[in-house]
Amino acid sequence: DSGVTQTPKHLITATGQRVTLRCSPRSGDLSVYWYQQSLDQGLQFLIHYYNGEERAKGNILERFSAQQFPDLHSELNLSSLELGDSALYFCASSQLSRGETQYFGPGTRLLVL
Amino acid sequence: GESVGLHLPTLSVQEGDNSIINCAYSNSASDYFIWYKQESGKGPQFIIDIRSNMDKRQGQRVTVLLNKTVKHLSLQIAATQPGDSAVYFCAENSSGSRLTFGEGTQLTVNP
Repeated sequence: DSGVTQTPKHLITATGQRVTLRCSPRSGDLSVYWYQQSLDQGLQFLIHYYNGEERAKGNILERFSAQQFPDLHSELNLSSLELGDSALYFCASSQLSRGETQYFGPGTRLLVL
Repeated sequence: GESVGLHLPTLSVQEGDNSIINCAYSNSASDYFIWYKQESGKGPQFIIDIRSNMDKRQGQRVTVLLNKTVKHLSLQIAATQPGDSAVYFCAENSSGSRLTFGEGTQLTVNP
């Protein structure tokens, strides 16, 4: 158990819908990262928040957004969902920022029908 | 561009043998590398890391070797056990905070 929690574990929804994925980092960690894992793209970095502020953006679609709250938990919002958004979404956390081990949560499996 | 890739997509070994999983990276500016293990239905689990000022680091039954000259990283698992069966990813950190992951190697340990 990494100490990172994610909810829900599974999510099934329809195209065009909007969902919110939630992540709680390890105790004491200030950074939260979001990654998408699909069969054809592998593990891809989406976005990084540090102590409530966005620090880096990766291959994140404009339909996707995230935020980190004062209690350091983070939410990833996915809107206007398409079939191709079906994937595993992982959250990771680290104590500070660059050059540190990132510890991953169990993931949320999203299926868009 | 930046890329981290694995030489072999699958590796099958006998229980008790040593396993070696390889990874090539292309960004010479990469200064931090991590190996993760991912079991089916779970998130990536940290195994071991190494910084670019080192060429070898050992953990419990695992060793990571870094060859910066040829931009190559390897993970050695001693006395491989059935519980080691999983997908193994290397990841590198060179640009800011993001990790760039390789494609993954499926390790199968035969009893």
